Amino acid sequence: ETGVTQTPRHLVMGMTNKKSLKCEQHLGHNAMYWYKQSAKKPLELMFVYSLEERVENNSVPSRFSPECPNSSHLFLHLHTLQPEDSALYLCASSQEPDNQPQHFGDGTRLSIL
Amino acid sequence: DQQVKQNSPSLSVQEGRISILNCDYTNSMFDYFLWYKKYPAEGPTFLISISSIKDKNEDGRFTVFLNKSAKHLSLHIVPSQPGDSAVYFCAASKQRDNFNKFYFGSGTKLNVKP
Repeated sequence: ETGVTQTPRHLVMGMTNKKSLKCEQHLGHNAMYWYKQSAKKPLELMFVYSLEERVENNSVPSRFSPECPNSSHLFLHLHTLQPEDSALYLCASSQEPDNQPQHFGDGTRLSIL
Repeated sequence: DQQVKQNSPSLSVQEGRISILNCDYTNSMFDYFLWYKKYPAEGPTFLISISSIKDKNEDGRFTVFLNKSAKHLSLHIVPSQPGDSAVYFCAASKQRDNFNKFYFGSGTKLNVKP
Protein backbone atom coordinates (compact mmCIF):
# COMPACT_ATOMS: atom_id res chain seq x y z
CA GLU A 1 0.00 0.00 0.00
CA THR A 2 1.36 3.39 -0.93
CA GLY A 3 1.52 5.94 1.87
CA VAL A 4 -1.28 8.30 0.78
CA THR A 5 -3.90 7.16 -1.71
CA GLN A 6 -6.37 9.44 -3.45
CA THR A 7 -9.41 8.44 -5.48
CA PRO A 8 -10.52 9.11 -8.09
CA ARG A 9 -7.44 10.23 -10.03
CA HIS A 10 -9.54 12.14 -12.53
CA LEU A 11 -13.02 13.61 -12.20
CA VAL A 12 -15.14 15.53 -14.68
CA MET A 13 -18.34 16.99 -13.35
CA GLY A 14 -20.98 19.52 -14.22
CA MET A 15 -21.61 22.56 -12.10
CA THR A 16 -24.75 21.08 -10.59
CA ASN A 17 -23.29 17.69 -9.67
CA LYS A 18 -22.33 16.45 -6.23
CA LYS A 19 -19.22 14.34 -5.89
CA SER A 20 -16.66 13.43 -3.26
CA LEU A 21 -12.90 13.06 -3.26
CA LYS A 22 -11.38 10.44 -1.01
CA CYS A 23 -8.00 10.26 0.67
CA GLU A 24 -6.57 7.45 2.76
CA GLN A 25 -3.23 7.39 4.55
CA HIS A 26 -1.41 4.27 5.72
CA LEU A 27 1.39 6.03 7.59
CA GLY A 28 -0.12 6.25 11.05
CA HIS A 29 -0.12 10.04 10.90
CA ASN A 30 -2.38 12.21 13.04
CA ALA A 31 -2.91 15.17 10.70
CA MET A 32 -4.38 15.39 7.19
CA TYR A 33 -4.59 18.23 4.70
CA TRP A 34 -6.37 19.28 1.52
CA TYR A 35 -4.51 21.47 -0.95
CA LYS A 36 -5.53 22.99 -4.26
CA GLN A 37 -3.00 23.41 -7.04
CA SER A 38 -3.90 25.59 -10.00
CA ALA A 39 -1.62 25.99 -13.00
CA LYS A 40 1.51 28.09 -12.33
CA LYS A 41 0.40 28.86 -8.77
CA PRO A 42 1.68 27.67 -5.40
CA LEU A 43 -0.17 24.99 -3.51
CA GLU A 44 -3.03 26.56 -1.60
CA LEU A 45 -3.89 25.08 1.76
CA MET A 46 -7.63 24.49 2.05
CA PHE A 47 -8.27 22.48 5.21
CA VAL A 48 -6.32 20.89 8.03
CA TYR A 49 -7.48 18.16 10.36
CA SER A 50 -5.38 17.37 13.40
CA LEU A 51 -6.45 14.46 15.61
CA GLU A 52 -9.67 14.36 13.55
CA GLU A 53 -10.55 17.92 14.48
CA ARG A 54 -10.64 20.66 11.87
CA VAL A 55 -8.03 23.19 12.88
CA GLU A 56 -7.75 25.28 9.74
CA ASN A 57 -10.22 26.49 7.16
CA ASN A 58 -8.47 28.83 4.78
CA SER A 59 -11.45 30.94 3.64
CA VAL A 60 -12.60 28.16 1.36
CA PRO A 61 -16.06 28.59 -0.25
CA SER A 62 -18.80 26.51 1.32
CA ARG A 63 -19.24 24.52 -1.90
CA PHE A 64 -16.23 22.56 -0.60
CA SER A 65 -17.04 20.54 2.51
CA PRO A 66 -14.39 18.40 4.23
CA GLU A 67 -15.00 15.37 6.39
CA CYS A 68 -12.53 13.42 8.53
CA PRO A 69 -14.24 10.35 10.05
CA ASN A 70 -10.97 9.00 11.50
CA SER A 71 -7.25 9.73 11.40
CA SER A 72 -6.74 7.60 8.27
CA HIS A 73 -9.49 8.95 6.03
CA LEU A 74 -10.29 12.36 4.63
CA PHE A 75 -13.02 13.37 2.22
CA LEU A 76 -13.75 16.50 0.24
CA HIS A 77 -17.40 16.81 -0.69
CA LEU A 78 -18.08 18.96 -3.74
CA HIS A 79 -21.33 20.60 -4.84
CA THR A 80 -22.32 23.38 -7.19
CA LEU A 81 -18.73 23.99 -8.26
CA GLN A 82 -17.59 26.72 -10.63
CA PRO A 83 -15.26 26.43 -13.66
CA GLU A 84 -12.48 28.18 -11.69
CA ASP A 85 -12.52 25.24 -9.28
CA SER A 86 -10.90 23.08 -11.97
CA ALA A 87 -7.52 22.17 -10.51
CA LEU A 88 -5.42 19.40 -9.02
CA TYR A 89 -6.55 18.58 -5.48
CA LEU A 90 -3.87 17.09 -3.29
CA CYS A 91 -4.21 15.33 0.02
CA ALA A 92 -1.32 15.11 2.48
CA SER A 93 -0.66 13.70 5.91
CA SER A 94 1.94 14.28 8.59
CA GLN A 95 2.76 13.51 12.18
CA GLU A 96 2.22 16.58 14.35
CA PRO A 97 3.29 18.60 16.15
CA ASP A 98 6.80 17.50 15.19
CA ASN A 99 8.80 19.17 12.42
CA GLN A 100 8.19 16.46 9.85
CA PRO A 101 7.50 16.62 6.13
CA GLN A 102 4.04 16.17 4.76
CA HIS A 103 3.47 13.14 2.57
CA PHE A 104 1.30 13.70 -0.48
CA GLY A 105 -1.01 11.58 -2.53
CA ASP A 106 -0.96 11.73 -6.33
CA GLY A 107 -3.96 14.03 -6.44
CA THR A 108 -7.33 14.21 -8.15
CA ARG A 109 -7.44 16.17 -11.38
CA LEU A 110 -10.84 17.89 -11.29
CA SER A 111 -12.46 19.44 -14.36
CA ILE A 112 -15.69 21.42 -14.09
CA LEU A 113 -17.73 21.66 -17.26
CA ASP B 1 0.61 37.75 -0.29
CA GLN B 2 3.09 35.04 -1.23
CA GLN B 3 5.49 34.34 1.63
CA VAL B 4 7.64 31.85 -0.27
CA LYS B 5 8.84 32.66 -3.77
CA GLN B 6 10.70 30.78 -6.46
CA ASN B 7 11.57 33.39 -9.01
CA SER B 8 12.87 31.04 -11.68
CA PRO B 9 10.03 29.10 -13.31
CA SER B 10 12.49 26.90 -15.20
CA LEU B 11 16.13 25.82 -15.27
CA SER B 12 18.04 23.80 -17.83
CA VAL B 13 21.29 22.01 -16.92
CA GLN B 14 23.61 19.59 -18.66
CA GLU B 15 23.90 16.09 -17.22
CA GLY B 16 26.78 15.83 -14.76
CA ARG B 17 26.80 19.54 -13.92
CA ILE B 18 25.43 21.21 -10.81
CA SER B 19 21.80 22.33 -10.57
CA ILE B 20 21.06 25.20 -8.20
CA LEU B 21 17.47 25.98 -7.37
CA ASN B 22 16.64 29.06 -5.34
CA CYS B 23 13.89 30.07 -2.99
CA ASP B 24 13.23 33.27 -1.02
CA TYR B 25 10.91 33.80 1.90
CA THR B 26 9.62 36.82 3.76
CA ASN B 27 8.61 35.58 7.20
CA SER B 28 11.45 35.42 9.73
CA MET B 29 9.30 33.18 11.96
CA PHE B 30 9.67 30.22 9.61
CA ASP B 31 11.71 27.54 11.34
CA TYR B 32 11.52 24.50 9.08
CA PHE B 33 12.19 24.32 5.35
CA LEU B 34 11.74 21.57 2.80
CA TRP B 35 12.20 20.75 -0.85
CA TYR B 36 9.79 18.56 -2.77
CA LYS B 37 10.13 17.04 -6.22
CA LYS B 38 7.12 16.48 -8.45
CA TYR B 39 6.88 14.38 -11.59
CA PRO B 40 3.89 14.81 -13.95
CA ALA B 41 0.77 12.96 -12.82
CA GLU B 42 2.26 12.31 -9.38
CA GLY B 43 2.06 14.08 -6.06
CA PRO B 44 5.02 16.00 -4.59
CA THR B 45 7.66 13.75 -3.04
CA PHE B 46 9.68 14.92 -0.06
CA LEU B 47 13.34 15.37 -0.95
CA ILE B 48 15.26 17.07 1.86
CA SER B 49 14.65 19.38 4.80
CA ILE B 50 16.52 21.77 7.05
CA SER B 51 15.78 23.25 10.42
CA SER B 52 16.42 26.92 11.09
CA ILE B 53 19.14 26.02 13.60
CA LYS B 54 21.31 24.71 10.76
CA ASP B 55 22.68 26.31 7.62
CA LYS B 56 23.37 23.19 5.59
CA ASN B 57 21.99 19.71 5.23
CA GLU B 58 23.29 17.08 2.85
CA ASP B 59 21.78 13.85 1.58
CA GLY B 60 23.70 12.14 -1.18
CA ARG B 61 23.66 14.31 -4.30
CA PHE B 62 21.30 16.81 -2.68
CA THR B 63 22.36 19.66 -0.39
CA VAL B 64 20.13 22.36 1.01
CA PHE B 65 21.61 25.67 2.17
CA LEU B 66 19.83 28.13 4.43
CA ASN B 67 20.82 31.78 4.73
CA LYS B 68 18.59 33.18 7.45
CA SER B 69 19.87 36.74 7.25
CA ALA B 70 19.03 36.84 3.55
CA LYS B 71 15.88 34.74 3.99
CA HIS B 72 17.14 32.54 1.19
CA LEU B 73 17.10 28.81 0.65
CA SER B 74 18.83 26.87 -2.13
CA LEU B 75 18.99 23.29 -3.32
CA HIS B 76 22.13 21.98 -4.98
CA ILE B 77 22.06 18.80 -7.01
CA VAL B 78 25.42 17.44 -8.05
CA PRO B 79 25.95 15.70 -10.33
CA SER B 80 22.63 16.28 -12.07
CA GLN B 81 21.03 13.33 -13.80
CA PRO B 82 18.28 13.15 -16.45
CA GLY B 83 16.02 11.46 -13.87
CA ASP B 84 16.20 14.64 -11.80
CA SER B 85 14.09 16.41 -14.42
CA ALA B 86 10.96 17.44 -12.51
CA VAL B 87 9.30 20.41 -10.85
CA TYR B 88 10.89 21.36 -7.53
CA PHE B 89 8.92 23.12 -4.81
CA CYS B 90 10.36 24.74 -1.74
CA ALA B 91 8.23 25.06 1.36
CA ALA B 92 8.56 26.80 4.70
CA SER B 93 6.64 26.32 7.89
CA LYS B 94 6.13 27.61 11.38
CA GLN B 95 4.57 25.79 14.25
CA ARG B 96 1.01 26.88 14.74
CA ASP B 97 -0.90 25.46 17.67
CA ASN B 98 -0.79 21.74 17.04
CA PHE B 99 0.23 21.56 13.42
CA ASN B 100 2.81 22.88 10.97
CA LYS B 101 1.40 25.30 8.43
CA PHE B 102 3.40 25.03 5.22
CA TYR B 103 3.77 27.76 2.63
CA PHE B 104 4.85 26.65 -0.82
CA GLY B 105 6.64 28.34 -3.69
CA SER B 106 5.21 28.10 -7.19
CA GLY B 107 7.90 25.68 -8.34
CA THR B 108 10.91 25.55 -10.67
CA LYS B 109 10.88 23.12 -13.56
CA LEU B 110 14.31 21.52 -13.90
CA ASN B 111 15.37 19.96 -17.18
CA VAL B 112 18.57 17.93 -17.13
CA LYS B 113 19.81 17.35 -20.65
CA PRO B 114 21.69 14.11 -21.46
